[in-house]
Amino acid sequence: EVQLLESGGGLVQPGGSLRLSCAASGFPFSSYGMTWVRQSPERGLEWVSGFGASGSTFYAASVKGRFTIWRDNSKNTLYLQMNSLRAEDTAVYYCTRWSGYGDIWGQGTMVTVSS
Amino acid sequence: EIVLTQSPGTLSLSPGERATLSCRASQSVTSSYLAWYQQKPGQAPRLLIYDASSRATGIPDRFSGSGSGTDFTLTISRLEPEDFAVYYCQQYGSSPRTFGQGTKVEIK
Repeated sequence: EVQLLESGGGLVQPGGSLRLSCAASGFPFSSYGMTWVRQSPERGLEWVSGFGASGSTFYAASVKGRFTIWRDNSKNTLYLQMNSLRAEDTAVYYCTRWSGYGDIWGQGTMVTVSS
Repeated sequence: EIVLTQSPGTLSLSPGERATLSCRASQSVTSSYLAWYQQKPGQAPRLLIYDASSRATGIPDRFSGSGSGTDFTLTISRLEPEDFAVYYCQQYGSSPRTFGQGTKVEIK
């Protein structure tokens, strides 16, 4: 079964850090682009960061310089390091298998930035 | 950045009726690179349509997508009880990829 399973969310104070992980199974992970998308009531669905087909990385302007995406193909895992977190980063973060659009989504992990 | 505007915000219909959802882009979407998703409460979005009109794997044929340029439509030919949900469009013709704000299809 094709599956994505996120972990690492939680409550963090403004200025703090979190690392999200996404474990993939059921498909050849290294052959696919992967992306993080977040969703909040205030901002709706928002593309955050992703890997292109060539392995290049992309970031939304709102997170560039604060978030870092990487992947470990030997572990079939995607990561998102989030630093200097702000209240507006509060959202459910989804890991998606990405071909420009997300055809497989994880269940999401909640990130709350609050003092 | 391409802004996607979905209308209506809420659509109140009965099972068996036809649903027509609109997604309008602030600029032309390159190569009709537009997708539609369905999201139910507490769940992740599910891909329905990509490339404006291609159904994703396992999606029933009552779902269809059409359009090009700046105007796109998702049609559900006959609503089933499980189709009541929120629907989002997303463009991937230019960066950054952007989503619409959603249309809620609710039971009348």
